[in-house]
Amino acid sequence: DAKTTQPNSMESNEEEPVHLPCNHSTISGTDYIHWYRQLPSQGPEYVIHGLTSNVNNRMASLAIAEDRKSSTLILHRATLRDAAVYYCIGDSGYALNFGKGTSLLVTP
Amino acid sequence: GAGVSQSPSNKVTEKGKDVELRCDPISGHTALYWYRQSLGQGLEFLIYFQGNSAPDKSGLPSDRFSAERTGGSVSTLTIQRTQQEDSAVYLCASGRDRVNSPLHFGNGTRLTVT
Repeated sequence: DAKTTQPNSMESNEEEPVHLPCNHSTISGTDYIHWYRQLPSQGPEYVIHGLTSNVNNRMASLAIAEDRKSSTLILHRATLRDAAVYYCIGDSGYALNFGKGTSLLVTP
Repeated sequence: GAGVSQSPSNKVTEKGKDVELRCDPISGHTALYWYRQSLGQGLEFLIYFQGNSAPDKSGLPSDRFSAERTGGSVSTLTIQRTQQEDSAVYLCASGRDRVNSPLHFGNGTRLTVT
């Protein structure tokens, strides 16, 4: 498993893009980069994952650096509902290791 | 469709009592995981079931903790002789049988040991 480093917290204004960074300098060639988020009083929710190429889905985009030592989760237009803890995980196994994540605050 | 269901949503128990937590995974998901989350912390992996294979129990913190999965579906996590440090939210997740398949989590059982 890759050790990941994320800022403890970030703040964004509603309807603006948000870029959530993650460093994973020890990532191996087979470790996927996973992102989950956890809203208050809920279990984590899958957001996106990728290996080398940038990935897009209906929730977000994942930009992976060419050397794979870092990645950025992009929320194109933050809403109040996006306020959550965002977890970045570098793993190739079946049991993902969640750290403390980044707490995202979205202000109107 | 129905997501992962956990019961009870809240459980308060006295120190020394045994508790059972239940997880109903998404139908057709062969992988099932238990995690726990203490206040303000990340998730701690406890145990993993995959189909009929022997479970990976490497995350269980002590022999007071055990889990079983009957018929490849419902799972119960049992904590014997509960201690105050067992107080946490216990989360269950299920997934398809492929590595890197997204995990689907329930909303957890909040366990308080008094």
